[in-house]
Amino acid sequence: ETGVTQSPTHLIKTRGQQVTLRCSSQSGHNTVSWYQQALGQGPQFIFQYYREEENGRGNFPPRFSGLQFPNYSSELNVNALELDDSALYLCASSQTGTGLEKLFFGSGTQLSVL
Amino acid sequence: GNSVTQMEGPVTLSEEAFLTINCTYTATGYPSLFWYVQYPGEGLQLLLKATKADDKGSNKGFEATYRKETTSFHLEKGSVQVSDSAVYFCALTAISSGSARQLTFGSGTQLTVLP
Repeated sequence: ETGVTQSPTHLIKTRGQQVTLRCSSQSGHNTVSWYQQALGQGPQFIFQYYREEENGRGNFPPRFSGLQFPNYSSELNVNALELDDSALYLCASSQTGTGLEKLFFGSGTQLSVL
Repeated sequence: GNSVTQMEGPVTLSEEAFLTINCTYTATGYPSLFWYVQYPGEGLQLLLKATKADDKGSNKGFEATYRKETTSFHLEKGSVQVSDSAVYFCALTAISSGSARQLTFGSGTQLTVLP
């Protein structure tokens, strides 16, 4: 079975730009969550998608948005980038109805905002 | 709100030493508790979990016991190996706005094991 894959692995943007990060779920998983991990910190929940709709959101502003596609892959979009958006962005997939022990993380996209 | 506090790192040990990484939490209700491990360049991997008070999670020689009276979930291993060098995160579940179950993480503890 394939794992959770994220692209790109690294990205450099400038303040004010927009960025799109991509995630392919593990085979058979229909739910995708996104987390932001700042340097030296634990991951923070951004939002979760199920059946192509957002079904939960953490404490992040609306300029963080997402999409989920019929094949369960997902995108994270961030508009009007700020310096504090520099972080590792992690995608995690799971199958609805399974516990969080069945949550699998990708290796992340390292975003640097200059 | 929900939060997780981990002991400050980094932690450096010699091979075969005893490991303890402290974790305490604040939560409403009865959360499930987790330890995740992050090796360099890799995603987070679930190490162990406990879903109710007095449960002990264990895996690969690591153990942690869910202590409701002290709101703690300390990670222990009797004899660490060089291959255990990684960042360890304590986490708990919470229900986000909406119906999603989210993880709330501590800030992580970097462990380095020297041969």
